[in-house]
Amino acid sequence: SQQGEEDPQALSIQEGENATMNCSYKTSINNLQWYRQNSGRGLVHLILIRSNEREKHSGRLRVTLDTSKKSSSLLITASRAADTASYFCATLNQAGTALIFGKGTTLSVSS
Amino acid sequence: KAGVTQTPRYLIKTRGQQVTLSCSPISGHRSVSWYQQTPGQGLQFLFEYFSETQRNKGNFPGRFSGRQFSNSRSEMNVSTLELGDSALYLCASSLVVSGGTEAFFGQGTRLTVV
Repeated sequence: SQQGEEDPQALSIQEGENATMNCSYKTSINNLQWYRQNSGRGLVHLILIRSNEREKHSGRLRVTLDTSKKSSSLLITASRAADTASYFCATLNQAGTALIFGKGTTLSVSS
Repeated sequence: KAGVTQTPRYLIKTRGQQVTLSCSPISGHRSVSWYQQTPGQGLQFLFEYFSETQRNKGNFPGRFSGRQFSNSRSEMNVSTLELGDSALYLCASSLVVSGGTEAFFGQGTRLTVV
């Protein structure tokens, strides 16, 4: 079953704009991760945020985590056409041995 | 350092056949997980192996099985294929980092059952 649920399901923006994706999850977590997938290929790890962190940056990526609301957001600033992909949030199952993914947000950036 | 390698990349099988997919993890990674991705169900966890032992299994029928070898390479097998098994099968090898586990994914095997 899905642990994280991303919102929106699809997002279309112009190059240079910012893109914000949200993720909600159900159970308590130690950390939350974001992955990117380009058109039916493998997933690429973007960023991991721990449960005691509220915000984390990596290049043009900014991730926030609100454990009281069980939600996280991924902000991509100054988007580029190359950012076109699906983005997934993921948390670990209770055993800590498997990632549970949301259904993802499909981002389309047009030039 | 070489990434996670999955073979084959594409596969077409007929209903009722069986299939074996292979995954070579990043050198030094001892945990290998398998996921199935379909448009309808999204990414779903199949199973995870660590040091040749299956530590966790997702909610899939017994037709789906796997194993891990002493060199950490892993295979998954699907027997008596059904049309609904058509999917992208992703393998990930994992490394424990500060605060969590980071997974590195292969490019996947696209299985089509006809």
